Amino acid sequence: KAGVTQTPRYLIKTRGQQVTLSCSPISGHRSVSWYQQTPGQGLQFLFEYFSETQRNKGNFPGRFSGRQFSNSRSEMNVSTLELGDSALYLCASSQGLAGLYEQYFGPGTRLTVT
Amino acid sequence: GENVEQHPSTLSVQEGDSAVIKCTYSDSASNYFPWYKQELGKGPQLIIDIRSNVGEKKDQRIAVTLNKTAKHFSLHITETQPEDSAVYFCAARGGSQGNLIFGKGTKLSVKP
Repeated sequence: KAGVTQTPRYLIKTRGQQVTLSCSPISGHRSVSWYQQTPGQGLQFLFEYFSETQRNKGNFPGRFSGRQFSNSRSEMNVSTLELGDSALYLCASSQGLAGLYEQYFGPGTRLTVT
Repeated sequence: GENVEQHPSTLSVQEGDSAVIKCTYSDSASNYFPWYKQELGKGPQLIIDIRSNVGEKKDQRIAVTLNKTAKHFSLHITETQPEDSAVYFCAARGGSQGNLIFGKGTKLSVKP
């Protein structure tokens, strides 16, 4: 069974721009969670989507948003990029709600904001 | 909210020795504790997990123990090999939220 896939793997953007990252969960998995990983803050939870609805949200500004499609694929969007948004963005999929099942991570998208 | 502390931040062992990484959590409602291994350029890989109704779980060379009273859990790797070198993260989940709260990570180096 294929794992979690994320595209693109690497991205360079300029401050003020916006970016969209994509995540395809493991086949049959219905929940997608997004995390931000930085050297200073570690792994921090952004949000979880299940059945096309946001179920849970971390402590990030409204510039960070996401959505989930009927095939469970998910996208996250960051608007008005700031230098501090440079990070590895990871998505994790789980069979059902993330509170009840194991989460499996993708390889991440490395975002660099200049 | 939940807070997870992880120690040590770096750990260097000789091949064949054992490695132990410890984590403490703050929310007594947490009921699920996974461990992830992250190699350079890759996403975290789930290597073992334990739920609050179990005190210990083993899978070949790795084991996890949980002490609910003290609110701490540990990862034990025996007979370490160079390919065990990576960053290991502990996490906790529970209460009303499903998201994982991660420790800051332990960089394990296994010297041949």
